[in-house]
Amino acid sequence: EVQLLESGGGLVQPGGSLRLSCVASGFPFNTYAMSWVRQAPGKGLEWVSGISGSGGSTFYADSVKGRFSISRDNSKNTLYLQMNRLRAEDTAVYYCAKTSVVVPSVMQGVWFAPWGQGTLVTVSS
Amino acid sequence: DIQMTQSPSSLSASVGDRVTITCRASQTINSYLNWYQQKPGKAPELLIYAESILQSGVPSRFSGRGSGTDFTLTISGLQPEDFATYYCQQSYSPPFTFGPGTKVDIK
Repeated sequence: EVQLLESGGGLVQPGGSLRLSCVASGFPFNTYAMSWVRQAPGKGLEWVSGISGSGGSTFYADSVKGRFSISRDNSKNTLYLQMNRLRAEDTAVYYCAKTSVVVPSVMQGVWFAPWGQGTLVTVSS
Repeated sequence: DIQMTQSPSSLSASVGDRVTITCRASQTINSYLNWYQQKPGKAPELLIYAESILQSGVPSRFSGRGSGTDFTLTISGLQPEDFATYYCQQSYSPPFTFGPGTKVDIK
């Protein structure tokens, strides 16, 4: 059974940093892309970032480019999201998701399944 | 970026009803369209990927169709466990944008 367990969320002041982790099990982690998707309170879903199975290719939403960094440690079956210069609008539940990709070279034809349970990030003074 | 819209934003239906949700992309995305279901306080779950392929374990009352820019999700015979919010998502190119969601509740 595939399991994804996020951690690292919490309360942080504007301008601060936080690192989220997602530990995966139940599938060959290094052969799958992974993604982060967030959901602000009461709002819809927003894809944040994705990374290839090898970690060699990364992709970001414009809203986080230059502030967030996605990475993975395949020896630990763990996905990370380093979040710097956090803003109030980054407040959300952050989900990690196993990502299937039809065309990996350009990250085209992707779907997210399953998702972790999410970790809440609150940016507030 | 590709913008996604959904209609309606919400609907009320009864158990047994046939429900159709529409999703439109701002440019052609071929068949790179997925559908997710989210229940309150839970993570989203994949229902359909690549426009019409049912995810393993998803009941056959869910179906998807469309291509280019216009897509539909149909639930044939709404069940009590189907009351939830449904999101479409384009996977043609990053950023992988989602529609704003359609909330299906009980009439």
